[in-house]
Amino acid sequence: SYELTQPPSVSVSPGQTARITCSGDALPKKYAYWYQQKSGQAPVLVIYEDSKRPSGIPERFSGSSSGTMATLTISGAQVEDEADYYCYSTDSSGNHRGVFGGGTKLTVL
Amino acid sequence: EVQLVESGGGLVQPGGSLRLSCAASGFTFSSYWMHWVRQAPGKGLVWVSRINSDGSSTSYADSVKGRFTISRDNAKNTLYLQMNSLRAEDTAVYYCARVGMGLDYWGQGTLVTVSS
Repeated sequence: SYELTQPPSVSVSPGQTARITCSGDALPKKYAYWYQQKSGQAPVLVIYEDSKRPSGIPERFSGSSSGTMATLTISGAQVEDEADYYCYSTDSSGNHRGVFGGGTKLTVL
Repeated sequence: EVQLVESGGGLVQPGGSLRLSCAASGFTFSSYWMHWVRQAPGKGLVWVSRINSDGSSTSYADSVKGRFTISRDNAKNTLYLQMNSLRAEDTAVYYCARVGMGLDYWGQGTLVTVSS
């Protein structure tokens, strides 16, 4: 079955740039989406269609995709950005089956 | 305001059944595809199933295929997940999510615990 691969953890100091990667064979043909999940809360969409930012999401969140890798970048990470981040996409089967990456714990301290 | 409210979770014995509901409001439910996503305690998000806007097309994760059935009642603005032959590994918080810009709105989730 199709898989998306993320690093388990990323750590930065406040004000630094955090980059979280997501690799998958279908990403050249399928969009990547990124979700932020804080403890005990439902996930929140922070990037859609590789690089678009929903209204209300701070400008420090950006996304890009090249080849088989998508990247979420948090420029000037804040303490409140500490959370789990998940990439999401669909497989190339034509059945619109979703898949999440394993998640990345972002620590900002 | 878009709202998704899941219900129907609880404690069930292995081999048992449960039906989850997701009540939608604040948008034209019949125009949107919907998904179910689950999260086992302390683990990551896992995609479970999706249904198109009129209910004519569905897909499932391999782990639930043949045991779970997704459906919807557009007249009642409600999404369902019928879960049969439940196993301990199905224990999770189950979220429903709307497909807009990706899975753009999520409910708060309902906890399903499969245990004897």
